[in-house]
Amino acid sequence: GAVVSQHPSRVICKSGTSVKIECRSLDFQATTMFWYRQFPKQSLMLMATSNEGSKATYEQGVEKDKFLINHASLTLSTLTVTSAHPEDSSFYICSAWTGSTGELFFGEGSRLTVL
Amino acid sequence: KNQVEQSPQSLIILEGKNCTLQCNYTVSPFSNLRWYKQDTGRGPVSLTIMTFSENTKSNGRYTATLDADTKQSSLHITASQLSDSASYICVVTAGGYQKVTFGTGTKLQVIP
Repeated sequence: GAVVSQHPSRVICKSGTSVKIECRSLDFQATTMFWYRQFPKQSLMLMATSNEGSKATYEQGVEKDKFLINHASLTLSTLTVTSAHPEDSSFYICSAWTGSTGELFFGEGSRLTVL
Repeated sequence: KNQVEQSPQSLIILEGKNCTLQCNYTVSPFSNLRWYKQDTGRGPVSLTIMTFSENTKSNGRYTATLDADTKQSSLHITASQLSDSASYICVVTAGGYQKVTFGTGTKLQVIP
């Protein structure tokens, strides 16, 4: 079946640095990918919709200059957390649509800890 | 405003027992409804997907129902196992695949 891969699964960084998280669709092309953030014991919160070859669409309240999203190919979207702060520590998950079947597959998530 | 509400928020059941999780939505125009299982620290995994015309769909011990008139869905788990302990998330898609609304989830704990 379709698989969405995220990397890294865990990352620890110092405050003020930038961190990049990759989301890859392994056996299908995804024109649209989604990025979510999940705090402990809370539901997934959509951050942005990533469209291949164009600018991402951000949800209200999400700083686009802080959370940079690039979807340069049909199989890869990246989320860069710039100038990370401890409050950015969270679980970040991506998902991708398989256009042919309309399935929505999720990555395994990336846990970011900012010290 | 599109909303998806799930109940109960959390649930503890004995191994082998059945349980039913609820999902009510106000998403419009409705496209489809999905149930996902999310283990702690993992990404959600799809259990079922239901369109407007489908009333019930099974996936092993998981059976989902959909009442499009009342905008309600349920996920029934039969003969629960310890490995069923997870969060179950109801996800409703509206008017095309880009409009996705997540429920708050139900945290299920199955105990021996």
